[in-house]
Amino acid sequence: KQEVTQIPAALSVPEGENLVLNCSFTDSAIYNLQWFRQDPGKGLTSLLLIQSSQREQTSGRLNASLDKSSGRSTLYIAASQPGDSATYLCAVRRIYGGSQGNLIFGKGTKLSVKP
Amino acid sequence: EAQVTQNPRYLITVTGKKLTVTCSQNMNHEYMSWYRQDPGLGLRQIYYSMNVEVTDKGDVPEGYKVSRKEKRNFPLILESPSPNQTSLYFCASSSGLQPQHFGDGTRLSIL
Repeated sequence: KQEVTQIPAALSVPEGENLVLNCSFTDSAIYNLQWFRQDPGKGLTSLLLIQSSQREQTSGRLNASLDKSSGRSTLYIAASQPGDSATYLCAVRRIYGGSQGNLIFGKGTKLSVKP
Repeated sequence: EAQVTQNPRYLITVTGKKLTVTCSQNMNHEYMSWYRQDPGLGLRQIYYSMNVEVTDKGDVPEGYKVSRKEKRNFPLILESPSPNQTSLYFCASSSGLQPQHFGDGTRLSIL
């Protein structure tokens, strides 16, 4: 059974710091991995998606990596800003019965960036 | 604007009174899905649909029904709601293996 774990559960950093959020998964049979951002009381915003054949994706100050063999992904945020404060969720899309299955989510890392 | 729209956004109701949460997407996506989000448990999938008239159970389907008669709509039905279905619900859609787009959520309270 696929399990997704995110460490740490919460993180507080001063503005301007570079930081890394971690995501691990137990079954490497995945189609892709997606990072989301969730603001309080809001829905999920997709940040980056890495297909299983890719190693990393970049968007602005964000860089996500994927090491499928070890079951790990990281989300790197450069020069953090108070506006980055949110909960960050990692989700893997599993292979099920030879076709695409559903998303399995981690429980998230709550990030707080202090001015 | 590409979006997933859920209605209602908030609902307080009583045990046993049937309710439907609607979900509509304007991106012509084949895949649609419902999730619930609970503190300490994270997001869990309830049902998903690969295309019109094709639906399947997710990880927590008990007490829910869905239908997919049209590509754009994927309503979630609670025939006899109970307090343990109090939660934050999200609808999502995607095309193939592209990123999933999420609605803004429906906060459901069942007394």
